[in-house]
Amino acid sequence: AQSVTQLDSQVPVFEEAPVELRCNYSSSVSVYLFWYVQYPNQGLQLLLKYLSGSTLVKGINGFEAEFNKSQTSFHLRKPSVHISDTAEYFCAVTYPSGNTPLVFGKGTRLSVIA
Amino acid sequence: DAGVIQSPRHEVTEMGQEVTLRCKPISGHDYLFWYRQTMMRGLELLIYFNNNVPIDDSGMPEDRFSAKMPNASFSTLKIQPSEPRDSAVYFCASTDRAEAFFGQGTRLTVV
Repeated sequence: AQSVTQLDSQVPVFEEAPVELRCNYSSSVSVYLFWYVQYPNQGLQLLLKYLSGSTLVKGINGFEAEFNKSQTSFHLRKPSVHISDTAEYFCAVTYPSGNTPLVFGKGTRLSVIA
Repeated sequence: DAGVIQSPRHEVTEMGQEVTLRCKPISGHDYLFWYRQTMMRGLELLIYFNNNVPIDDSGMPEDRFSAKMPNASFSTLKIQPSEPRDSAVYFCASTDRAEAFFGQGTRLTVV
């Protein structure tokens, strides 16, 4: 079964600094990968997804992620963060067959400091 | 489409009472998932349905929890009797296989 590890539970960063949120997955077969963001008291919103094709995926709000099959990683990056990026970020994986649910990491709380 | 709709948004109930959470998935989505979110455990999958049929309920914590999907546009998650440790945010999500769409969640507090 697939699993997801988010290596950092909390990441504080100053406004306008770059940030990387790390995600590693375990699977011996092809997977779909996702990053979701959760703002306080809200549901999860899709940031970006990797299904196939280019390994560099661009999402909303200036975020991007790179799929690295050899390292089984899907790290999320943003070159310059804003206060409004403060939220919880979840990495998730599923199989392309579509009949398995998303498996989520524990989440990384990004705190942007003014 | 209005997205996945959950009700109520907030529920406060006394221990021992029955609680019913409701979800309306996005039209046309054939998968529906119920997740529970707590500080200690993060996001846990409770149960999911495909075409209204329960596929995997191994995440349901106890027999006190039950879920139904009587038709493609409605699902319920019921807890009877409720206990304080059931306090959490419960999310419903529906998917077209390439992306899961989440509702706003129901924050359940059992006192």
